[in-house]
Amino acid sequence: EAGVAQSPRYKIIEKRQSVAFWCNPISGHATLYWYQQILGQGPKLLIQFQNNGVVDDSQLPKDRFSAERLKGVDSTLKIQPAKLEDSAVYLCASSSPPGQAYGGYTFGSGTRLTVV
Amino acid sequence: GESVGLHLPTLSVQEGDNSIINCAYSNSASDYFIWYKQESGKGPQFIIDIRSNMDKRQGQRVTVLLNKTVKHLSLQIAATQPGDSAVYFCAESSSGSARQLTFGSGTQLTVLP
Repeated sequence: EAGVAQSPRYKIIEKRQSVAFWCNPISGHATLYWYQQILGQGPKLLIQFQNNGVVDDSQLPKDRFSAERLKGVDSTLKIQPAKLEDSAVYLCASSSPPGQAYGGYTFGSGTRLTVV
Repeated sequence: GESVGLHLPTLSVQEGDNSIINCAYSNSASDYFIWYKQESGKGPQFIIDIRSNMDKRQGQRVTVLLNKTVKHLSLQIAATQPGDSAVYFCAESSSGSARQLTFGSGTQLTVLP
């Protein structure tokens, strides 16, 4: 089974520039998550999608972050304009239907963003 | 607020010894607890999970213990190998959170030869 695909792997931008990250979840996984992982910390949820609808975006800084999941498959997370504190690894995860164990909750390798 | 935390940030063990990684949680509504392993440059990798109505669960070389009385979770790794060197996170999820995960800050496990 193919895993969660993310691109790019690395990105360096200057503050106030914009950046976008792409995620392709595991085939058949209806739920998709974006997490932010600051160096030395655990991942923190930014947004959750169920198919192409947003389930929870309460922790997404909406003044600069946006995300979409058109057609309920791939997803894009965008930051505009970026701040220094946005430097982090952005992880995408997808999960199998509720009621199944967390073994079906799979993370991608992430995009490491550095804002200078 | 509710949080999941770890007792120790680093742990070093000799190859072949058993490792124990601890985690404290504060959300009494949590109904699933999950352990993840994260190697450098990779995303978290599922190790094992346990439901809140259980107190022990075993996998291949790993055992998770849950003590709801003191809100404590531990991961035991038997016969630790060099490939076990990584950061280990505990995470919790509650039925009302649509399977969203709340992570602790991690423990760096180093296996010494």
